Amino acid sequence: AQSVTQLDSHVSVSEGTPVLLRCNYSSSYSPSLFWYVQHPNKGLQLLLKYTSAATLVKGINGFEAEFKKSETSFHLTKPSAHMSDAAEYFCVVSARQRVGNNRKLIWGLGTSLAVNP
Amino acid sequence: DAGITQSPRHKVTETGTPVTLRCHQTENHRYMYWYRQDPGHGLRLIHYSYGVKDTDKGEVSDGYSVSRSKTEDFLLTLESATSSQTSVYFCAISPGQPMGTKETQYFGPGTRLLVL
Repeated sequence: AQSVTQLDSHVSVSEGTPVLLRCNYSSSYSPSLFWYVQHPNKGLQLLLKYTSAATLVKGINGFEAEFKKSETSFHLTKPSAHMSDAAEYFCVVSARQRVGNNRKLIWGLGTSLAVNP
Repeated sequence: DAGITQSPRHKVTETGTPVTLRCHQTENHRYMYWYRQDPGHGLRLIHYSYGVKDTDKGEVSDGYSVSRSKTEDFLLTLESATSSQTSVYFCAISPGQPMGTKETQYFGPGTRLLVL
């Protein structure tokens, strides 16, 4: 069965320091992986996605993530945090259904990122 | 941004009343989804649609029904609302499946529902 685990429920960094949000996944086949961001009282926005092309994926707002099959990880990073990065971040894996060929997204529980001045 | 709207954006209702939430898209995407978001549970799929009149259940479908009579509209109905259905509801769309960029989901702004 496919699953996704976000290893930290809360991360706090200082403005200008690196950001690391950790995500591990479980999948019996080559997955598609996504990171979404949700700012307070807002909808969900796609940050980046991995779909079996380059293992280092660049997204919006300076974020990137590296797919590591040997570690079953898809950690999200940013070299320098900005105050506007404070939000909830979700790691997502695409899972094949038990019946048919339809796929659904399996969501992590989220990591809340706080950025301190 | 993908053209997705949800209505209403906020709703307060009483236990036992029917409620219908609407998702409307202008992207002509084949797939549409309804999720609910609750603290400690992340996003959970309620129902999804893979075409007009084609729908399937998600992981938390009890107490909910859906309909899709047109490509652009996907309705979520709570037949008899309960307090446990107080949540934020998100609609999402995607161009297609099963692999690659076509399965990326784009989300609407959400509907906050309070059942008293």
